[in-house]
Formats: sequence, C-alpha cells, structure tokens
Amino acid sequence: ETGVTQSPTHLIKTRGQQVTLRCSSQSGHNTVSWYQQALGQGPQFIFQYYREEENGRGNFPPRFSGLQFPNYSSELNVNALELDDSALYLCASSLAGTGREKLFFGSGTQLSVL
Amino acid sequence: GENVEQHPSTLSVQEGDSAVIKCTYSDSASNYFPWYKQELGKGPQLIIDIRSNVGEKKDQRIAVTLNKTAKHFSLHITETQPEDSAVYFCAASRMDNNDMRFGAGTRLTVKP
Repeated sequence: ETGVTQSPTHLIKTRGQQVTLRCSSQSGHNTVSWYQQALGQGPQFIFQYYREEENGRGNFPPRFSGLQFPNYSSELNVNALELDDSALYLCASSLAGTGREKLFFGSGTQLSVL
Repeated sequence: GENVEQHPSTLSVQEGDSAVIKCTYSDSASNYFPWYKQELGKGPQLIIDIRSNVGEKKDQRIAVTLNKTAKHFSLHITETQPEDSAVYFCAASRMDNNDMRFGAGTRLTVKP
C-alpha cells in the first residue's frame, strides 16, 4: 500500500451534475497529481498541485479544477459532467525536488456518469 | 507532446517462463521511464524505473532496458509466478515536466 487514500471509492452521477473527489497524500509528500483512467487505457494526466497552486495541466477543459490544502490533501472538481467523464480517477502523491517524478497512486475513485 | 506506445496488449505465459513488454516513445527529451503494475481494483504501483543516463537496471526478477537512440525501453520479468498476473504500464516523462505519459497497458496472465 502507498499510503495515498481517495474517497469515495465509487460514485454515480447524472449528466450535468458536479462532483468532488478527495485525496490524502502519502506522509511527507507535498505534491499531488490527478489522472483520469478510462476503461482499458493508461492513466492520462489532468493536473498537478504543489504549494497549493496548479503546477502543470494536461489536455483537460476548465470544468476540471482542483485544490490543494495546507496539509497537502487535494480535491478534484468536475463541473457539468458528461458521459465521457466516466472513468477511474487516480490521485498520485510525490515529493518535490529530486525524485518528484516518482508517483505513488491511490486506489482511485470510480465515477459513473449516467 | 510525448506519445508512448506499448506492446503487446495481452501476454500469456506459463509459470516459470520469462515475459517481455516493449514500449516506444516519441519525445527525445524524455529522460525518466517508470513501469507500473496495476492489479484489479487498485491503483498503479511503481515496480521499477530507469533514467536516461542508464542502459539497464535490475531488481530481483524484474529488469528494464533502455535504448535512447531507438527510443524504446522494455520490461523483463523472469521466473514468472501467478501473482505477477496484472496489467503493466510503461510511462515516459521529462524530470522537469509534470506530464507523465502512459502506454495503453499490457495484460499479463501467468498460468500455473
């Protein structure tokens, strides 16, 4: 186990709704990255947070937003949900500086949009 | 941007045999290449990684090789065991870049 915890584990929403997913990073880690993993595919980078600010973003629209808190935990918010947003959402923590690239993933939140 | 391709998509081997998974990448500036193992219902777990200044790295039964000129890297698992059965992902990134790109994954099945 990595020590990265995500909640909830499963979530069902309808199109147009908003959702908030939560992540607690591994002890000692100060950087959090969020990934979207569609069924049968590899994870895709959404964005990363460091020192409570967005520190890099992948090819996702602005309706995907996030927060990082002083204790390094993080939230992913998705507005105006679409059917294609159905996926496993993974949070990964890492340590800024040398070795920042080593990602430690949580078990994810399975989001279903109906 | 970086594009990572992974082959094969599925691989079935007998227990004790070796398994090899191959990946290619497109961005010559990529310098960090990790491999992740994902079991059902869990997130990806880092099993081994290699940086571009190294050609090969071993950790017990697993090894990774990197050919920077050809822009490809491979995962080798020897003496496979049923518990090695999982989906394996390769990835590539630049160590100064937060955007790690993953391959599409290889489903490895080790038959007892």
